[in-house]
Amino acid sequence: ILNVEQSPQSLHVQEGDSTNFTCSFPSSNFYALHWYRWETAKSPEALFVMTLNGDEKKKGRISATLNTKEGYSYLYIKGSQPEDSATYLCAFVDYGQNFVFGPGTRLSVLP
Amino acid sequence: DTEVTQTPKHLVMGMTNKKSLKCEQHMGHRAMYWYKQKAKKPPELMFVYSYEKLSINESVPSRFSPECPNSSLLNLHLHALQPEDSALYLCASSHHYPGLAGDSYEQYFGPGTRLTVT
Repeated sequence: ILNVEQSPQSLHVQEGDSTNFTCSFPSSNFYALHWYRWETAKSPEALFVMTLNGDEKKKGRISATLNTKEGYSYLYIKGSQPEDSATYLCAFVDYGQNFVFGPGTRLSVLP
Repeated sequence: DTEVTQTPKHLVMGMTNKKSLKCEQHMGHRAMYWYKQKAKKPPELMFVYSYEKLSINESVPSRFSPECPNSSLLNLHLHALQPEDSALYLCASSHHYPGLAGDSYEQYFGPGTRLTVT
């Protein structure tokens, strides 16, 4: 069983704060790491797909880094806005093409 | 068109019923997925189709029967379900599965079908 963990489980921040979450995954047999945002009553939406150790990706105020040797990825949100409120899921893919989501970090941004 | 559609949105069925969930995409994606999501849990992968062939079956009970009639359509046939099968069933698609030359492709998700088994 592949163990994919995310921390914190939930987070409340004020509008304008910057925040970050962690996704931990097995460091062996790594193939890819996906990040998704899932807003209530909507479909999960892809943020990033990362495959190389040291990858850094950015989309607007959101960015992500990847360390495959130690088995973690960070997601950063700069200047959080209420519309950033969502559950952020990472998904680990191994060379066997097992695709496993982490439990998610639920972010609430208070105006 | 970057949309994955799923029908119905809601479904209530008895344990002796037979029903089907439908998923459709017109993005030219050759990989399609079924996930099951229980409350406060992440989605769990059930099945993956690649080029209309079943590639992954994550030890799902036979009361769930997937079908991929063509590259745009994915069905999930349900028969003799149990109350514990009540969940949100999500469909997704991506360009390919697995990735080509070390790539991995983002998945596009539908809105899901909320299934209740009574």
